[in-house]
Amino acid sequence: AQSVAQPEDQVNVAEGNPLTVKCTYSVPGNPYLFWYVQYPNRGLQFLLKYITGDNLVKGSYGFEAEFNKSQTSFHLKKPSALVSDSALYFCAVRDGKGNNFNKFYFGSGTKLNVKP
Amino acid sequence: GAGVSQSPSNKVTEKGKDVELRCDPISGHTALYWYRQRLGQGLEFLIYFQGNSAPDKSGLPSDRFSAERTGESVSTLTIQRTQQEDSAVYLCASSYSGSQYNEQFFGPGTRLTVL
Repeated sequence: AQSVAQPEDQVNVAEGNPLTVKCTYSVPGNPYLFWYVQYPNRGLQFLLKYITGDNLVKGSYGFEAEFNKSQTSFHLKKPSALVSDSALYFCAVRDGKGNNFNKFYFGSGTKLNVKP
Repeated sequence: GAGVSQSPSNKVTEKGKDVELRCDPISGHTALYWYRQRLGQGLEFLIYFQGNSAPDKSGLPSDRFSAERTGESVSTLTIQRTQQEDSAVYLCASSYSGSQYNEQFFGPGTRLTVL
C-alpha cells in the first residue's frame, strides 16, 4: 500500500544551523514527491517538488530536497535555518501511475522549531 | 491572482445538525480535492474531482459525507447529522489539469467544531 512516513514529530534547530526534515515513502513505480509548509492557522503552501531529473531540487524560501531512490527518501533541507521557518512541514507523494495517480498521500507532518 | 477560497472560515454546530462547506478553486483548475485535518495530525484524503469524470469518493469516512462540484468551479462538502468526531479543519485544494506533475494549491480551510 502507498504510504509516506515522517519519522520525526518535531525537529528543533538553532537559527543559523542547517536543518533536515526527513521523509520516506512507499509507492510502487516512479513517484512524484512534494513538500508543503503550513504556518499557524493557515492553509498548506507548496515548497518544492521532484518529478524527474536532478535528484537535488530547489524550492521556495531557500529550501531544497534530495530524492534518493535506493533509500526511498525525500528529505527536506536548508543550509541555514531562520526563526520564521518554524512551521509544520508535510511530505506528500503522488503515485506516478495506475488508478491512484490522482491521489496525494501525505505524511503526518513534522513540526519545525527554530530557536533564536 | 486569487487563490483557493473557502467559507465559512469557522463553523460551530450542534451534534446532529447538517453543515455545508464551500470551496472556490483557482479559476481554470480542473482538479479539486477535499481533505480533513484533525488537530495535530496529517491530512486525510476525502474526495477528488477531475473535470467531468466521476469523482473519487474513496476517502469519504461514512455515508454522512457527500460532496458536489458544479462543472469546474465551486464545490460543496456536506456533512449530515454531524458527530463530535467530525470536528476538524476541512481543507480544499485545486490543481491545474489533474496531471501528476502539478502541485496542489490549498485554501485556508474551514474549522468545524461540533458541540
